[in-house]
Amino acid sequence: AQKITQTQPGMFVQEKEAVTLDCTYDTSDQSYGLFWYKQPSSGEMIFLIYQGSYDEQNATEGRYSLNFQKARKSANLVISASQLGDSAMYFCAMREGYNTDKLIFGTGTRLQVFP
Amino acid sequence: EAGVAQSPRYKIIEKRQSVAFWCNPISGHATLYWYQQILGQGPKLLIQFQNNGVVDDSQLPKDRFSAERLKGVDSTLKIQPAKLEDSAVYLCASSLVGASNEKLFFGSGTQLSVL
Repeated sequence: AQKITQTQPGMFVQEKEAVTLDCTYDTSDQSYGLFWYKQPSSGEMIFLIYQGSYDEQNATEGRYSLNFQKARKSANLVISASQLGDSAMYFCAMREGYNTDKLIFGTGTRLQVFP
Repeated sequence: EAGVAQSPRYKIIEKRQSVAFWCNPISGHATLYWYQQILGQGPKLLIQFQNNGVVDDSQLPKDRFSAERLKGVDSTLKIQPAKLEDSAVYLCASSLVGASNEKLFFGSGTQLSVL
């Protein structure tokens, strides 16, 4: 069965520094997708970045990059040059298969950026 | 483009009462999801629709929860009767076709408190 593990309940980072949020996953499928979402205090889930299991290069989206290590089954999110507005909950999620399969989430990491 | 709309934003009810949540997905999105997010946890999928058919409702407590998606557009999630443990944020999301690499677009959620 698929499973997502986020072991960091909370992280602190100083403004303008980089931070890595950890995510490991478990799946027996060869085809799957990994997602990161941000959830600010307003409650809405905001898509950040996607990595497919067959993608050879790590995904990047602006200040976000995904450190994908397939053999270790890890998909860590790296936020560079942190900003105060990055303070939020961050969720790692996975979807198995090719289509219409459910997206499951980890328990999340609360990131706090301080000046 | 308009996002996923949900109402109401907040709801407070007493246990054993009934409640209904409404969701209007992004226009043209075939796949619609209802997630339950209990405080301190990641979202858990309750039900997934593809157009107006159910794809996955394996984690929906069918003795008290029901959902429908009329004409493949709007959706309603109902709880009857509510229990204390149903207190959570109910998130609606949609995606274009439900492909494995598609991101989900989320609404702001309905925060339910059962007293």
